[in-house]
Amino acid sequence: KNQVEQSPQSLIILEGKNCTLQCNYTVSPFSNLRWYKQDTGRGPVSLTIMTFSENTKSNGRYTATLDADTKQSSLHITASQLSDSASYICVVSASKDGNNRKLIWGLGTSLAVNP
Amino acid sequence: NAGVTQTPKFRVLKTGQSMTLLCAQDMNHEYMYWYRQDPGMGLRLIHYSVGEGTTAKGEVPDGYNVSRLKKQNFLLGLESAAPSQTSVYFCASSSLGEGGEQFFGPGTRLTVL
Repeated sequence: KNQVEQSPQSLIILEGKNCTLQCNYTVSPFSNLRWYKQDTGRGPVSLTIMTFSENTKSNGRYTATLDADTKQSSLHITASQLSDSASYICVVSASKDGNNRKLIWGLGTSLAVNP
Repeated sequence: NAGVTQTPKFRVLKTGQSMTLLCAQDMNHEYMYWYRQDPGMGLRLIHYSVGEGTTAKGEVPDGYNVSRLKKQNFLLGLESAAPSQTSVYFCASSSLGEGGEQFFGPGTRLTVL
């Protein structure tokens, strides 16, 4: 069964600190993995998309890594800001046939950055 | 450039009532999607469209209908609302199908009493 599991479920850190969020998946055949940020009461916003051949990708203070062998990904946030408080969702795209793909959504990690 | 917009933002319905949620995008995207988001569950795909005049069922299509009469608009209808349809509904669009980046609207919070 295709699944995406994220940890921790929630996290509280102090402003300025770094943190790492984890994503483990059992999705086959794998197409790509993306991380979304969802602010409370808003729609998800894409942070990164990584294919099988990419093992790291950055977007400002956000750096995502992918290990396709162990089926793990992480999202590292550097020098956190209050505006980083949000839910971070890992989404894996499973290739069904040709260009037809299915997205498997994780439940997200709720991050709170405190002053 | 507004991106993806959704109307209304909030709605309360009584069981059995009907309503239509409107999604509009100004990015000329071919693909559009309707999702629902419930506590403790990941986003679930309701219906999607790969182009004007086309629609297809997603993961949880029962109780919903959709139409894509114009490329920029994707409508989600509830013919007879049920309490189980209480949820937050998100519309998204993309240029490359499900493999590509999806751009989401702000969501519609629907409560069915």
